[in-house]
Amino acid sequence: GAGVSQSPSNKVTEKGKDVELRCDPISGHTALYWYRQRLGQGLEFLIYFQGNSAPDKSGLPSDRFSAERTGESVSTLTIQRTQQEDSAVYLCASSPADRNYGYTFGSGTRLTVV
Amino acid sequence: AQSVTQLGSHVSVSEGALVLLRCNYSSSVPPYLFWYVQYPNQGLQLLLKYTSAATLVKGINGFEAEFKKSETSFHLTKPSAHMSDAAEYFCALNQAGTALIFGKGTTLSVSS
Repeated sequence: GAGVSQSPSNKVTEKGKDVELRCDPISGHTALYWYRQRLGQGLEFLIYFQGNSAPDKSGLPSDRFSAERTGESVSTLTIQRTQQEDSAVYLCASSPADRNYGYTFGSGTRLTVV
Repeated sequence: AQSVTQLGSHVSVSEGALVLLRCNYSSSVPPYLFWYVQYPNQGLQLLLKYTSAATLVKGINGFEAEFKKSETSFHLTKPSAHMSDAAEYFCALNQAGTALIFGKGTTLSVSS
């Protein structure tokens, strides 16, 4: 597609429920990133996929968080047993393999845990 | 370890005044540096980037930034602020094989 698409744009869930957030990167972009942005905070790195290499999961805050990516296409970020502190905007970005280009970000998924 | 520090979480300027948003970095190897802008309820948009070519980089909407290795800085400037520049600005650093590391952001307010 023309840009990075994220769905849903908004999600309200009850504490303890599982949620799945989806990201469709730009076609041909081999790298895909997930970040979390809490209210009034900067961007917190979560996970990074590059082609068929093992993902860099070093930013995942707990084992309740996981992400998958099929080849160089769609990625899903899953949060199990959601907590109120998980409330944030989850941003996905993609880029070509050449890091000269910078990232293209989606508009994010605003997650509210009540 | 690499890091990015943005000095000043809020900057306020008058319309037509100079905009200066400060960014300092720490990196063990020559980094690539980026500035992104985020308008309310939107994703981040790339303003400009430094990738080891010219040290003075021009971006969109009249913004520019200068890479100064001796000062480990990459400050963002615009000669004359416009109301539409009000947004949050993020400085970011990239090393090979890692994801972008972002500063905490600076909110720019522009008054008439």
